Amino acid sequence: AQTVTQSQPEMSVQEAETVTLSCTYDTSESNYYLFWYKQPPSRQMILVIRQEAYKQQNATENRFSVNFQKAAKSFSLKISDSQLGDTAMYFCAFMKSGSGNTGKLIFGQGTTLQVKP
Amino acid sequence: DTAVSQTPKYLVTQMGNDKSIKCEQNLGHDTMYWYKQDSKKFLKIMFSYNNKELIINETVPNRFSPKSPDKAHLNLHINSLELGDSAVYFCASSQVDGRRYFGPGTRLTVT
Repeated sequence: AQTVTQSQPEMSVQEAETVTLSCTYDTSESNYYLFWYKQPPSRQMILVIRQEAYKQQNATENRFSVNFQKAAKSFSLKISDSQLGDTAMYFCAFMKSGSGNTGKLIFGQGTTLQVKP
Repeated sequence: DTAVSQTPKYLVTQMGNDKSIKCEQNLGHDTMYWYKQDSKKFLKIMFSYNNKELIINETVPNRFSPKSPDKAHLNLHINSLELGDSAVYFCASSQVDGRRYFGPGTRLTVT
């Protein structure tokens, strides 16, 4: 069974600085997707970034980028130039891809990030 | 335009009652989901439907029954509500590539 672990329950960062959120996962699958979702106080779940396991290149979306280390089963999220609006809970998630995929998305426990002015 | 909508956003009810949460998506996705987020913010899949067919049915009490009248709608009916059912319930839909689009959530409080 796949598991996703976020070992940092809470983090804080000063506005305009850079912060990295950690995520590790366990799977025997070779084809899968990894995601980071953001949940601000409004509770809306928002997709931040997505990585396909077969791609070696790390995904980037504006100020958000990932460090995907497949062998180490690590998928960290880097937020550059942090903004107050980045204050949210961040969830790492795993989904198997390819044949037999049911679309089941497995979430980590979440990391609460506070951006301080 | 709202991509995934849920009604109601808040639901307060007493133990033993039966309630429904409705979900609609206008994204044209074939697959829809129900997730439960508990008081510790942990998110867990409950059900998924692909084009009206049940695909995932996690270990959820049979008091919970999803219904998909068409691929744009996935409703959740809960019978005999218990205190432990209090949570936020999210509906979502997805593309083939796994990107999930979530509704705003329904905060259910059982008293």
